[in-house]
Amino acid sequence: GESVGLHLPTLSVQEGDNSIINCAYSNSASDYFIWYKQESGKGPQFIIDIRSNMDKRQGQRVTVLLNKTVKHLSLQIAATQPGDSAVYFCAENGDNFNKFYFGSGTKLNVKP
Amino acid sequence: EAGVTQFPSHSVIEKGQTVTLRCDPISGHDNLYWYRRVMGKEIKFLLHFVKESKQDESGMPNNRFLAERTGGTYSTLKVQPAELEDSGVYFCASSYGTDYEQYFGPGTRLTVT
Repeated sequence: GESVGLHLPTLSVQEGDNSIINCAYSNSASDYFIWYKQESGKGPQFIIDIRSNMDKRQGQRVTVLLNKTVKHLSLQIAATQPGDSAVYFCAENGDNFNKFYFGSGTKLNVKP
Repeated sequence: EAGVTQFPSHSVIEKGQTVTLRCDPISGHDNLYWYRRVMGKEIKFLLHFVKESKQDESGMPNNRFLAERTGGTYSTLKVQPAELEDSGVYFCASSYGTDYEQYFGPGTRLTVT
């Protein structure tokens, strides 16, 4: 099966600092990647996506970087806020756009 | 617009019993997915419906799991008989047409004792 993993299970940052969450994927055929945010008691919520023909995509305070050479994905959150505290999952579509493979998640703790 | 809803939010059953989880997708979404997250591990795909048809059920663990989507609206996932290793959070998601973005429900936490 697919292998999508995260380097750090828990990340603690100070409010106002930038956060970087990393993810490795294994299927070079994957052409679509998503970052999800899951808050306690809720389901995963879409944050940002990127297609394999791009290296970088920016949203509001978030940036996703894709390095296809080393099969690495990262999520950067600028000026991290307490509301950003959650578990973040990366997901890849493998060779099937309807079926996503998720990593085990990184918990982001934002310290006031 | 209402999001994806799931019922119940939490279920505690004994080993050997039966449990049925329900998912109501976003109205108009013909794609419906079931995922499961076990003990803090990754979220794993179970199956995918397109309307009432099973498009991909490659992630279903075994024949104790039965998913249905009669009429192509809501879906149920039945576990019979439940085993300890079935404990986890079951997520449902839906999407429209060929859109990649899947909208997730809040999940059902299943505890088998």
